[in-house]
Amino acid sequence: DAKTTQPTSMDCAEGRAANLPCNHSTISGNEYVYWYRQIHSQGPQYIIHGLKNNETNEMASLIITEDRKSSTLILPHATLRDTAVYYCIVKLDDMRFGAGTRLTVKP
Amino acid sequence: EAGVTQFPSHSVIEKGQTVTLRCDPISGHDNLYWYRRVMGKEIKFLLHFVKESKQDESGMPNNRFLAERTGGTYSTLKVQPAELEDSGVYFCASSQVDNMRLTQYFGPGTRLTVL
Repeated sequence: DAKTTQPTSMDCAEGRAANLPCNHSTISGNEYVYWYRQIHSQGPQYIIHGLKNNETNEMASLIITEDRKSSTLILPHATLRDTAVYYCIVKLDDMRFGAGTRLTVKP
Repeated sequence: EAGVTQFPSHSVIEKGQTVTLRCDPISGHDNLYWYRRVMGKEIKFLLHFVKESKQDESGMPNNRFLAERTGGTYSTLKVQPAELEDSGVYFCASSQVDNMRLTQYFGPGTRLTVL
């Protein structure tokens, strides 16, 4: 199973870009990189996913390195409501959550 | 379109009692998953249904937990008898059976407290 490594916590100033890294050096060729977040005690929320190419949607951008061993989730203009735990997941079938990165957006 | 719903939102029971949690997935989603987060720990996978069949139940902690999905629509997760360590938040998620099937949509969770 692919395993991910994320920093335990990060801070970001409100209005600035938040760049959350994830290492997944054992990822298989057919495994997608998924990002979810959990705000407080709510259910995890899907953010974005990708396979090889960089992806962008209304919430975030996902940059995947060419060797696919790492990726970065970018929240272009972080707000206080983006404070959450962010999970990078690469399990093919059923998602295995790790500890994630606790992002704190500060005023 | 309605999202994943779970009932109840909170449940407080005594050790030894039985509790049944319900999950209604997004309409048309054949995949249904159960997860839980116990105090201070990571979110852990419990099991995965494809329609009414259990695809993977490797995360079920023991035989006190029974999940069903009769008819392939809603699912129930029964804990009988409940123990103190079962306290936590139980999440349900669903996804479609297509290229996007790994995009799971989560419900708000059921917070279970066993006293």
